[in-house]
Amino acid sequence: EVQLVESGGGLVHPGGSLRLSCAASGFTFSNSWMSWVRQAPGKGLEWVGNIAQDGSQRYYVDSVKGRFTISRDNAKNSLYLEMSSLRDEDTAMYYCARILPSSSYYDCWGQGTLVTVSS
Amino acid sequence: EIVLTQSPATLSLSPGERATLSCRASQSVAGYLGWYQQKRGQAPRLLIYDASNRATGIPARFSGSGSGTDFTLTISSLEPEDFAVYYCQQRSNWPITFGQGTRLEIK
Repeated sequence: EVQLVESGGGLVHPGGSLRLSCAASGFTFSNSWMSWVRQAPGKGLEWVGNIAQDGSQRYYVDSVKGRFTISRDNAKNSLYLEMSSLRDEDTAMYYCARILPSSSYYDCWGQGTLVTVSS
Repeated sequence: EIVLTQSPATLSLSPGERATLSCRASQSVAGYLGWYQQKRGQAPRLLIYDASNRATGIPARFSGSGSGTDFTLTISSLEPEDFAVYYCQQRSNWPITFGQGTRLEIK
């Protein structure tokens, strides 16, 4: 069974940092582009960024460029999101998602991990 | 950035009825549009990709159509489990963007 499990969310002060993790199982992780998508409380979905199978290509939404970094460890079947200089508007549920091959659609999602930025 | 506008914001229908949801793009996305379903407290689920292709395991009552700037998701006969929020998403241009969602509620 394909499974993605996020962890690392929590309460952080504005300007602080946090590292999210996503553990993948049930598929060949190293063959898949991966992504982070977030959802502010009561709001819609927002793409955060994508990373290629070998980590050689990364794309980010403008609002997180320079503050967030997506990385992966294929030996550990894990995806990461390093977040720094956090702002109130980064408060959201963060989902790890697998990208459908040859596309930028998300065919498998984790259950999400909640990040709250507040003083 | 391509803006996706979904209509209506809320759709109230009864089980067994046909649902038609719309997504309009601010510029052409060719056929590069997908649809997701999200139930309360759950992650989204991919229904349709590239305008009209059903994702794995999606029932045949879900269908998608359209190209360019105007797209439609149709649910031919609503089941109780179909009442949820639906989002469209384009992959034609960076950044990837989603619509604001249509809430499908029981009448």
